[in-house]
Amino acid sequence: EVQLVESGGGLVQPGGSLRLSCAASGFTFSTYNMNWVRQAPGKGLEWVSYISSRSSTIYYADSVKGRFTISRDNAKNSLYVQMNSLRDEDTAVYYCARDRRVLEASHNYYGMDVWGQGTTVTVSS
Amino acid sequence: DIQMTQSPSSLSASVGDRVTITCRASQSISTYLNWYQQKPGKAPQLLIYAASSLQSGVPSRISGSGSGTDFTLTISSLQPEDFATYYCQQTYSTLYTFGQGTKLEIK
Repeated sequence: EVQLVESGGGLVQPGGSLRLSCAASGFTFSTYNMNWVRQAPGKGLEWVSYISSRSSTIYYADSVKGRFTISRDNAKNSLYVQMNSLRDEDTAVYYCARDRRVLEASHNYYGMDVWGQGTTVTVSS
Repeated sequence: DIQMTQSPSSLSASVGDRVTITCRASQSISTYLNWYQQKPGKAPQLLIYAASSLQSGVPSRISGSGSGTDFTLTISSLQPEDFATYYCQQTYSTLYTFGQGTKLEIK
């Protein structure tokens, strides 16, 4: 079964740090680009960060750039995000999601086709 | 960044109704547009990719159309399991962005 399982969430004080993990199984993790997406309580989805299959390309949303670091270990089938200088507004459910590529009409189209169940991060004093 | 704006923000409809949700991009994104469905307490599910291609396992009553800046998601005959929140997402830019969501509720 294709599966993503996040872990590492919890309660942290403003200014603190947290590292989230995402364990992949049931597919060849090393061949897929991956993303972190978050959802604040009662709010919509916000894309956070992207990492290519071999870690050669990384992108961040402006809201987390300079504070979050995405990484992966293909040998361990795992995705990570190190979150530093946490703020109240970082409180959210954090999802990892697989970025599936489809070639159609000579174009590469991407879509997040597998998601984890999410892990909750609460930033509060 | 490319901004994605959905309308309406919420919608009430009945089982069997035909509904359409609109998503507008702040600049042309060709057909690099996905639609997701999310139910309360659950992770989102990919419905449509490349603006109009149906993800495997998604019922054919759900369809997508559009290109450039204007896109639509249509559900031809609402079923009880379709009541959820729907999000569009652009992948034209390397900084992916989602619309704010459309909550589809039972009338």
